Amino acid sequence: DAGVTQSPTHLIKTRGQQVTLRCSPISGHKSVSWYQQVLGQGPQFIFQYYEKEERGRGNFPDRFSARQFPNYSSELNVNALLLGDSALYLCASSLSTEAFFGQGTRLTVV
Amino acid sequence: ILNVEQSPQSLHVQEGDSTNFTCSFPSSNFYALHWYRWETAKSPEALFVMTLNGDEKKKGRISATLNTKEGYSYLYIKGSQPEDSATYLCAFIGTDKLIFGTGTRLQVFP
Repeated sequence: DAGVTQSPTHLIKTRGQQVTLRCSPISGHKSVSWYQQVLGQGPQFIFQYYEKEERGRGNFPDRFSARQFPNYSSELNVNALLLGDSALYLCASSLSTEAFFGQGTRLTVV
Repeated sequence: ILNVEQSPQSLHVQEGDSTNFTCSFPSSNFYALHWYRWETAKSPEALFVMTLNGDEKKKGRISATLNTKEGYSYLYIKGSQPEDSATYLCAFIGTDKLIFGTGTRLQVFP
């Protein structure tokens, strides 16, 4: 079985641009969560979606948005990128209470 | 705002040493606590899911205990090996989202 897949794996954007990150959960998992990990810090919760509905939102500005599709894949969008948005963005799919993580997308904003 | 704290932030030990880290979390609205092992350039790997006060779980040389009344969990590694070098994350589950600690970065020297 394929695990959680994220694309792209690496991305370089300039300040002010917009970015879309994608996540495909493990087959059968209906919940997708997004996390941001800035270098030297633990992962910070951004969003959780379950059955296409937002179930939770972390303390991130409105520049961050997400959605979940009927096949349970998800996109994370970040508008008006700032240098501080440079981070590893992890997607996790979960069944019950255990999360399985993708490899992440490394976003660098220059 | 719920805080999940881990200590120490980093740890350097010699091969063969035993070590332990702490995860502190809110003692109210507890549902579960997860431990993850995160090696560089890999996705976090689930180690333990702990739900009951007094739980003790073991996987090889790694074990964990849980005290939900006082809000802490210990992770122990017996006879550390270089391959144990990783960041160890704990995650508290109160509602539908995981709240991660900042992690303990362990480096085991041969």
